[in-house]
Amino acid sequence: IVLTQSPGTLSLSPGEGATLSCRASQSVNSEYLAWYQQKPGQAPRLVMYGASSRATGIPDRFSGSGSGRDFTLSIRRLESEDSAVYYCQQYGTLPTFGQGTKVEI
Amino acid sequence: QVHLLQSGAEVKMPGSSVKVSCKASGGSFSNYAISWVRQASGQGLEWMGTFTPIFGRWVYAQKFQGRVSTTADTSTNTVFMELVRLTSEDTAVYYCATGPLVDIYRLDPWGQGTLVTVSS
Repeated sequence: IVLTQSPGTLSLSPGEGATLSCRASQSVNSEYLAWYQQKPGQAPRLVMYGASSRATGIPDRFSGSGSGRDFTLSIRRLESEDSAVYYCQQYGTLPTFGQGTKVEI
Repeated sequence: QVHLLQSGAEVKMPGSSVKVSCKASGGSFSNYAISWVRQASGQGLEWMGTFTPIFGRWVYAQKFQGRVSTTADTSTNTVFMELVRLTSEDTAVYYCATGPLVDIYRLDPWGQGTLVTVSS
């Protein structure tokens, strides 16, 4: 399953909101859709799993939604620490990742 | 919470092999699956395979068939990933990550990464 993320880059100001999109080439069970955050020079970190469940330690400014082929990661009230590349992952079949969306604050 | 510590950077010749280790502390591998994900410089994430030590089951991406293997030392809570017949395209940071047995591909946490450089 190919995951296509959009946009490639988001440039936003602190306090604004971000909407990241992940579209799958075929339907994905939402239980098997996750999002990761990767800051420069760091390993990825799980942000969201099951499409809409926040991982441990992730603030409630982050939310996930979607079903079928279309999934969204939303970030409210952006902070500078949210600057990162965000990847979606599906594992309804063997795991694949999207190409990432870079969020610049 | 499990913490993963990976072995240090490696420089390898084309055609050789590399073995990367991933040691868990704060938990036992018997309760987790271990996945390997790599990332070439400036590129995205590529899943390589997932090993479930308690079942001895190894699932890997077709792309790496015949080139990648994994072993585990349960006495030291260490998993090893070996990649053979290296080419320059294998130059990347290699990450290990755990997933619970009920959701093995939900990757959390990750190791710090091991840079493997393949160069003559």
